[in-house]
Amino acid sequence: GAVVSQHPSWVICKSGTSVKIECRSLDFQATTMFWYRQFPKQSLMLMATSNEGSKATYEQGVEKDKFLINHASLTLSTLTVTSAHPEDSSFYICSATGQGGWSGGYTFGSGTRLTVV
Amino acid sequence: SQQGEEDPQALSIQEGENATMNCSYKTSINNLQWYRQNSGRGLVHLILIRSNEREKHSGRLRVTLDTSKKSSSLLITASRAADTASYFCRNSGGYQKVTFGTGTKLQVIP
Repeated sequence: GAVVSQHPSWVICKSGTSVKIECRSLDFQATTMFWYRQFPKQSLMLMATSNEGSKATYEQGVEKDKFLINHASLTLSTLTVTSAHPEDSSFYICSATGQGGWSGGYTFGSGTRLTVV
Repeated sequence: SQQGEEDPQALSIQEGENATMNCSYKTSINNLQWYRQNSGRGLVHLILIRSNEREKHSGRLRVTLDTSKKSSSLLITASRAADTASYFCRNSGGYQKVTFGTGTKLQVIP
């Protein structure tokens, strides 16, 4: 149990376009979703925390207007990278905690590798 | 697997004391990261030590790495109540599936 499906696995987009990344909890209700970013050979860096039905809380230094997070339902959270630039190229990953079938702990999605050209 | 194994599983100390926790890993290393997680919150990156480094400091944190033993230690000096959290290590920064061990639960008693 406690599976988080993240889509897409990788995406290449042109500079200036927007990219949406989805994370779905398949067998539990994700009350809280965490979004991370990881640059090559670096650590996971927490970007934001979103609770279902509420506005996301962003970590210091993360532009909320650039990284739009929507968590409108207990099974879906999305991260939209708006007006992407090459420096946004990174590995984005979500993790969720929840209820209703959640077995505890923090379940991670499989990640999305974003390349902006 | 990138998962590290932390020990002890739980640690309780008085405020002002030092806290030491250890991490062992199985695969070859690129770098090793330590994270903190407060209850109900996301993982927060604390410090990264590269495979060619043996010791690194950041504020009250001191991390050592012994690649021959495939182990690392995290020392928190002069602990504070706010340091109460779970601490996790993770090997490498690759894009493999992200997993973590059960961590060390640190409780600092005021």
